[in-house]
Amino acid sequence: GEDVEQSLFLSVREGDSSVINCTYTDSSSTYLYWYKQEPGAGLQLLTYIFSNMDMKQDQRLTVLLNKKDKHLSLRIADTQTGDSAIYFCAESTSVSGYSTLTFGKGTMLLVSP
Amino acid sequence: NAGVTQTPKFQVLKTGQSMTLQCAQDMNHNSMYWYRQDPGMGLRLIYYSASEGTTDKGEVPNGYNVSRLNKREFSLRLESAAPSQTSVYFCASRETGGHPEAFFGQGTRLTVV
Repeated sequence: GEDVEQSLFLSVREGDSSVINCTYTDSSSTYLYWYKQEPGAGLQLLTYIFSNMDMKQDQRLTVLLNKKDKHLSLRIADTQTGDSAIYFCAESTSVSGYSTLTFGKGTMLLVSP
Repeated sequence: NAGVTQTPKFQVLKTGQSMTLQCAQDMNHNSMYWYRQDPGMGLRLIYYSASEGTTDKGEVPNGYNVSRLNKREFSLRLESAAPSQTSVYFCASRETGGHPEAFFGQGTRLTVV
């Protein structure tokens, strides 16, 4: 079945770059996503990438997709303390012809001053 | 611009009690989802509804029932709550085809004692 794996924890200093990695299994995924969850809040879509792209940049965020290795990464440049949150990788998957989202367990990013 | 609204935000139940979690979206989306989030487990799909009048089981449907009352509303019912159902529940909606983004509610924190 579909599975999304990501490391559970990352700690960086303010101003450094953060890289969060994810691997997925469904080669037919149309879109791959990064969601952010702040404490006590719901999930906020950060960015997504279409499966026929290999890179997407959006301000401080860079998403890299390696379809051959089924590897997705999120790079946050100039990481700030406000970036501390849980980051979820997700893939769109098809179940019985319908599209759903399958999430990883989340990476907790801790940014220290 | 409400997006996805979940009620209640918090709930404490005794084992064996029943309750219904409500979810409504005002974006005219066809697809709606219920997820549960547990520490270290990420988000797991309970049920989803691809369109009004249809519902399907996700990864962890046992102990739950759903109703897609109309296009706007998708409710999740616990008939006999168990401590293992203590979790944070998220509703999401998404347009099928076209735009890939899924929008999430703020979550319902349920404790079963």
